[in-house]
Amino acid sequence: EAGVAQSPRYKIIEKRQSVAFWCNPISGHATLYWYQQILGQGPKLLIQFQNNGVVDDSQLPKDRFSAERLKGVDSTLKIQPAKLEDSAVYLCASSIGTAATGELFFGEGSRLTVL
Amino acid sequence: RKEVEQDPGPFNVPEGATVAFNCTYSNSASQSFFWYRQDCRKEPKLLMSVYSSGNEDGRFTAQLNRASQYISLLIRDSKLSDSATYLCVVNFVNSGYSTLTFGKGTMLLVSP
Repeated sequence: EAGVAQSPRYKIIEKRQSVAFWCNPISGHATLYWYQQILGQGPKLLIQFQNNGVVDDSQLPKDRFSAERLKGVDSTLKIQPAKLEDSAVYLCASSIGTAATGELFFGEGSRLTVL
Repeated sequence: RKEVEQDPGPFNVPEGATVAFNCTYSNSASQSFFWYRQDCRKEPKLLMSVYSSGNEDGRFTAQLNRASQYISLLIRDSKLSDSATYLCVVNFVNSGYSTLTFGKGTMLLVSP
């Protein structure tokens, strides 16, 4: 079974530039998550989709971050304009149902460096 | 106040040692609990769920104390391959949906 696919794996940009990350979850998984993991810290939830609706975006910096889930399948996360503190790994995850079972399947992540 | 706090680490232990990780959570309404493992520069993966009665999976034992809002993970007979960061994860249901909150993680280094 194919896992969660993410691209690009690595991205280096200068501050104030924009960047977009793409995620394709495991087929049939209703819930999709974007986490931000800064070096030395645990993953922090940015946004959670149930099908194509947002159920939690309370920690998403909405002045610069946006995300959408197209037709309840693929998702994109955009940062515009980027700041130095956005340097992190952006992890996409999916789960069959809600997060209640605790089993999230993560992609390999997109590593962003902002110079 | 941090929602999920873990031992800062790193823990350096020799092969064969027993090591325990601790985790506390702040939300008394949290409903389910998990340990994830994250290898260096890799994505997190579910290691095991934590049940109220405690549960064991081979060399790994997880325990939960709801009254103290405390979770633990015990690893017996450590192997070199156990070297990784262990993330404590807590599930909370709010307005009908579940969210998972991750701790900062505790790094384990097992040496020969």
